[in-house]
Amino acid sequence: GDSVTQMEGPVTLSEEAFLTINCTYTATGYPSLFWYVQYPGEGLQLLLKATKADDKGSNKGFEATYRKETTSFHLEKGSVQVSDSAVYFCALSDDNYGQNFVFGPGTRLSVLP
Amino acid sequence: DAGVIQSPRHEVTEMGQEVTLRCKPISGHNSLFWYRQTMMRGLELLIYFNNNVPIDDSGMPEDRFSAKMPNASFSTLKIQPSEPRDSAVYFCASSLVTSGDNEQFFGPGTRLTVL
Repeated sequence: GDSVTQMEGPVTLSEEAFLTINCTYTATGYPSLFWYVQYPGEGLQLLLKATKADDKGSNKGFEATYRKETTSFHLEKGSVQVSDSAVYFCALSDDNYGQNFVFGPGTRLSVLP
Repeated sequence: DAGVIQSPRHEVTEMGQEVTLRCKPISGHNSLFWYRQTMMRGLELLIYFNNNVPIDDSGMPEDRFSAKMPNASFSTLKIQPSEPRDSAVYFCASSLVTSGDNEQFFGPGTRLTVL
């Protein structure tokens, strides 16, 4: 079945450091890919998405590129802030009805001042 | 739009009691999902509905758990009887499923503690 693998956390960075969180997937079709973020005490919210190969999703300084050849969707940010501290989930949806929605295990990011 | 609404936000109960969690999806959305999140098991999909019909409940842990969606604007997740291992944060999410865009919108969650 479909699956999403993320780098294990926690990831601890200093403010203004470069961030990469790796995400790879396994899917039978051509999935849409998502990054969700969960701030402490809140639900998940969509950070960015890409629906086809080579698309780049971007939001709030974060970006990720849909790489079909490597089945990857790595999340990057050039300069993290303390307010970026959260748990980040990579996810995929591989059918047109959104019913096969698979989340990765999440990666906790802590940014220190 | 107010987003996905869940109630209560926090629930503390004793083992053996019945617990009912409630969810109001975003108006116009046609799919609804119930998730459970724990430190040990991460985010788990329990059940999802499409047009008020349960499509896949294979994630429901056991018969003590049941979910209903009597109409497009309301769903419940019931645990009877509750056990301490049911303690978790339960999220409801909804989406408007169209071709190519299946973004799920999450509610704030219900933190359940079973003593």
